[in-house]
Amino acid sequence: DAEITQSPRHKITETGRQVTLACHQTWNHNNMFWYRQDLGHGLRLIHYSYGVQDTNKGEVSDGYSVSRSNTEDLPLTLESAASSQTSVYFCASSESSGDSTDTQYFGPGTRLTVL
Amino acid sequence: AQTVTQSQPEMSVQEAETVTLSCTYDTSESDYYLFWYKQPPSRQMILVIRQEAYKQQNATENRFSVNFQKAAKSFSLKISDSQLGDAAMYFCAYRSGDTLAGSYQLTFGKGTKLSVIP
Repeated sequence: DAEITQSPRHKITETGRQVTLACHQTWNHNNMFWYRQDLGHGLRLIHYSYGVQDTNKGEVSDGYSVSRSNTEDLPLTLESAASSQTSVYFCASSESSGDSTDTQYFGPGTRLTVL
Repeated sequence: AQTVTQSQPEMSVQEAETVTLSCTYDTSESDYYLFWYKQPPSRQMILVIRQEAYKQQNATENRFSVNFQKAAKSFSLKISDSQLGDAAMYFCAYRSGDTLAGSYQLTFGKGTKLSVIP
């Protein structure tokens, strides 16, 4: 079955370190997204991509970067981790259409703690 | 920019009863999509129901239905015959209908935590 996976599921790191969170989907979806979830804020968009070599900034992109070298993967990099980036991170993917097939499917999330 | 507001941080319902979760949104667009996602303690985000703004008929999925009031920019979720497994965070989300511009990203509300009392 097609799926979307994230790794690691839990990560503890130190302030200033570079961290990369992986996202891999086997849906063959064009669109991929990264969100962060914080108490009292819901989910907020960090970066998104609508295809290979395409990346775009979302609402809370400062301190994060992404790259899309193939359809399946959209890794999220924290260039220099800060305590404010302690959060749960969700990756999602969707098809590019105007019907119900463009629903976003979410990965299981990565809990990141920055000490 | 679009905003989504869920004014009820927490709600509770007796098992087998009906509960309605509120969501309002602000947009200048006429074509868009609205969603309700459920997040149980497992943290997995699960799509509950989807509504296209151009459809006047309210979407339904088994025990879940919506009351979509386009003029009032309101999109509430009704859960009938509540079950213990319905206990979760529920998020309302908005997506632009302007897919030609590539607008597939979601804007989420802050969520409503639903408790189901046995």
